[in-house]
Amino acid sequence: DAKTTQPPSMDCAEGRAANLPCNHSTISGNEYVYWYRQIHSQGPQYIIHGLKNNETNEMASLIITEDRKSSTLILPHATLRDTAVYYCIVGKWGAQKLVFGQGTRLTINP
Amino acid sequence: DAGVIQSPRHEVTEMGQEVTLRCKPISGHDYLFWYRQTMMRGLELLIYFNNNVPIDDSGMPEDRFSAKMPNASFSTLKIQPSEPRDSAVYFCASSVRGRGAEIEAFFGQGTRLTVV
Repeated sequence: DAKTTQPPSMDCAEGRAANLPCNHSTISGNEYVYWYRQIHSQGPQYIIHGLKNNETNEMASLIITEDRKSSTLILPHATLRDTAVYYCIVGKWGAQKLVFGQGTRLTINP
Repeated sequence: DAGVIQSPRHEVTEMGQEVTLRCKPISGHDYLFWYRQTMMRGLELLIYFNNNVPIDDSGMPEDRFSAKMPNASFSTLKIQPSEPRDSAVYFCASSVRGRGAEIEAFFGQGTRLTVV
């Protein structure tokens, strides 16, 4: 599975958009990009995934570059409850294995 | 559905004792995962099952660790004998393959294990 690189930490003001980058330059054609987050002392929570098109759901938007070597998770109006560690994961189509890296610790400030 | 249920939530045991962690996946899910989380190593995948069959156990650290899934609604992770370095939060997760083979895994609340 392709490796991902994320900044270890980020800060964002409450109410602003939080943009979390992820680099996955070795991604292959059959690998999806997944985002999960882990709020303190809870289990990880699925946010969104994508293959090559941009995706949006009720939680977030996922922007994947045309060459698929990087992506950005966007939380459009961050709240204090969005403070968490955000994991960007690359996983093969048809395979159910999720390998977590160190993630980005996002802190939303009032 | 109540989600993935793990028990116990907290476990404190003495070194050398056997520890059994339990997991009930979401009904209808055909994949089950066991993860371990520590500050030093982050979230590590230990083993996962598909339709009750172990598919990949390459993350199981030692022979002291074993996992079973006797039926679709129950799995155990056993450590025998336990050691202080096994202290961690152990998460169970389950998923079902989506239309596009996406992986939306649902995690339990975890079991915090402390071996003294």
